[in-house]
Amino acid sequence: EVQLVESGGGLVQPGRSLRLSCAASGFTFDAYAMHWVRQAPGKGLEWVSGTTWNGGVIGYADSVKGRFTISRDNAKNSLSLQMNSLRPEDTALYYCAKDGNTGALGYYYGMDVWGQGTTVTVSS
Amino acid sequence: EIVLTQSPGTLSLSPGERATLSCRASQSVSNNYLAWYQQTPGQAPRLLIYGASGRATGIPDRFSGSGSGTDFTLTISRLEPEDFAVYYCQQYAGSPFTFGPGTKVDIK
Repeated sequence: EVQLVESGGGLVQPGRSLRLSCAASGFTFDAYAMHWVRQAPGKGLEWVSGTTWNGGVIGYADSVKGRFTISRDNAKNSLSLQMNSLRPEDTALYYCAKDGNTGALGYYYGMDVWGQGTTVTVSS
Repeated sequence: EIVLTQSPGTLSLSPGERATLSCRASQSVSNNYLAWYQQTPGQAPRLLIYGASGRATGIPDRFSGSGSGTDFTLTISRLEPEDFAVYYCQQYAGSPFTFGPGTKVDIK
């Protein structure tokens, strides 16, 4: 079964850091681009960042650029998001999502597998 | 950054009716890299359409996508009870990949 399981969320004070992880199983992890998408309470979806099959960074949302860093470990079938200088507006459910393509040469497909998310709350 | 606008914000329809959802981009979406997702309360989004018109695996044929350039449409030919949800379009033609604000399809 294809599965993505996020972890690492929690309550954190503004200005602090948090590292999210996503464990992948049931598919060839190193053949696909991967993404982080977040959803603030009662709001819509926001793409946060993505990485190509071999760890190239697709980019970041303007709202997190310079504070968040995406990475992947293909040997461990794992995706991570290092979040620094957290702000209250970063409070959201963070989803890990698999792309249907590698991301090589700009080829993408859309996010065809999603985890259930991990909740990040930034508050003093 | 490509900004996506979706209309209407809310669509109130009855089961069996046809739903037409619109997504407009602030600039042309190259390669028609436009996807549609469905999200029901408490659930993760589900990919419906990729490449503007390709139906994702397991998606019923009552869902169809069309359009190119800056104007895209998701059509649900006959609404089933499970189709009442929020629908998002997303472009993945250029970073940052962006989502539209969503269209809620609710029961009339």
